Order: sequence, then structure tokens, then C-alpha cells
Amino acid sequence: DTAVSQTPKYLVTQMGNDKSIKCEQNLGHDTMYWYKQDSKKFLKIMFSYNNKELIINETVPNRFSPKSPDKAHLNLHINSLELGDSAVYFCASSQGTRGGRTDTQYFGPGTRLTVL
Amino acid sequence: RKEVEQDPGPFNVPEGATVAFNCTYSNSASQSFFWYRQDCRKEPKLLMSVYSSGNEDGRFTAQLNRASQYISLLIRDSKLSDSATYLCVVNGGMDTGRRALTFGSGTRLQVQP
Repeated sequence: DTAVSQTPKYLVTQMGNDKSIKCEQNLGHDTMYWYKQDSKKFLKIMFSYNNKELIINETVPNRFSPKSPDKAHLNLHINSLELGDSAVYFCASSQGTRGGRTDTQYFGPGTRLTVL
Repeated sequence: RKEVEQDPGPFNVPEGATVAFNCTYSNSASQSFFWYRQDCRKEPKLLMSVYSSGNEDGRFTAQLNRASQYISLLIRDSKLSDSATYLCVVNGGMDTGRRALTFGSGTRLQVQP
């Protein structure tokens, strides 16, 4: 009955490889997000999709490409992985935004990516 | 200046103590405010939203001071299970590109028996 799920939970890979992380939410939310939490524990927004449309695209290398096949799924593909990509990646979802307010976001369990 | 600033702690307190965390934010257009809790190696989870009038949920009280751009969280009668990192979270206001949440780096609380 997991509300926001991510796979895989752990990902260990070599530099230069391409990998994908999948995210699914069963909350019926319109908006999904990808966050990166680095070793200093800062959580930073990377992307946000609203009903399959990209609405937030922070300064992220173009090796990172999100894809939303439908509003319940938001996947993250990373090309040519680098050592600095090692972090925990969290997917989240929310009902959306109303005016200037942001609804509560619900987070997935995270994917711990280690690049060797 | 960081968008959301918190004292990283750690705050080491005995069970039953009252502890307060503060947070300042830089974007005066922010309209949504939250406290999230993150346990070690887990995802952040909403603790409570913060409203202008202040709000309470059991042992937890949150306050917002828009004039000073300051948010606080008070925990009364601390339990061992309150040990976690507390994240102050704000949104970016009306601008479309900033409706995402901005997280502080968190304040670590350790409640000791």
C-alpha cells in the first residue's frame, strides 16, 4: 500500500554508465518531483512535473533527463554517471499548487546511488 | 544568504525536556511553510504545516513570523522517539518556477534517556 514507491532502493554502478530510477505514486496526485540529497544532507529540487508537463527544471546537468509517461509515474534517467552524482534521490508527489501555496509533498523511500 | 537557514545542532536533551528550533527564510513571497521530520536513512515526512496564526499538534507547536521571516518549532515533553532531523521547509511564492519546496539543512535532535 505504499503511496510513493521508488526502484531500485540501492544502485551501485561504475562511472560512465547510464542508469534509470523509477517512481510511482498511487495517491492520485497531479504533481511529482525529483530531489537530490547529497552527503551534506541538503535536499534540492531537480525537476517537477504537473500532469506530465515539466514545470520546474532547476540547474541540473543535461545528463539527467526526467520522463513522465503518465501522471502517476516520473522516472529519472542519468547518462554518463559521474562520481559527484552519488547521493540519495527522492521522488515526491503532491496534489499540486494553488495560487502561491504548495501542497504537502509525500516522499518515496529514496534511491541511494553510489558511483564508483 | 541561504534561502532557508537552520542551526544544524545537534541538540542533546533529556527525556521530558522542552526544546525549540528556529528557522529563517529569505524569500518574502513564500506562502507555504512546513516542518518535516527525517529519520536516519529515511525519507522526509511531514510533521506539520505552519500557519500564520500559529498551530499546535499535541506536543508540537509551530509559529510563523512573516515580518521577521522566521519560523519556530517547539517540542514539549520530549520522547526518545522524537530523535530525528527536523527540516524547515518553505515554498518560493507566486513565481511559477519556484513553487517547489526549499528545504533547510535540518536541525538534529537527540533525546537521551
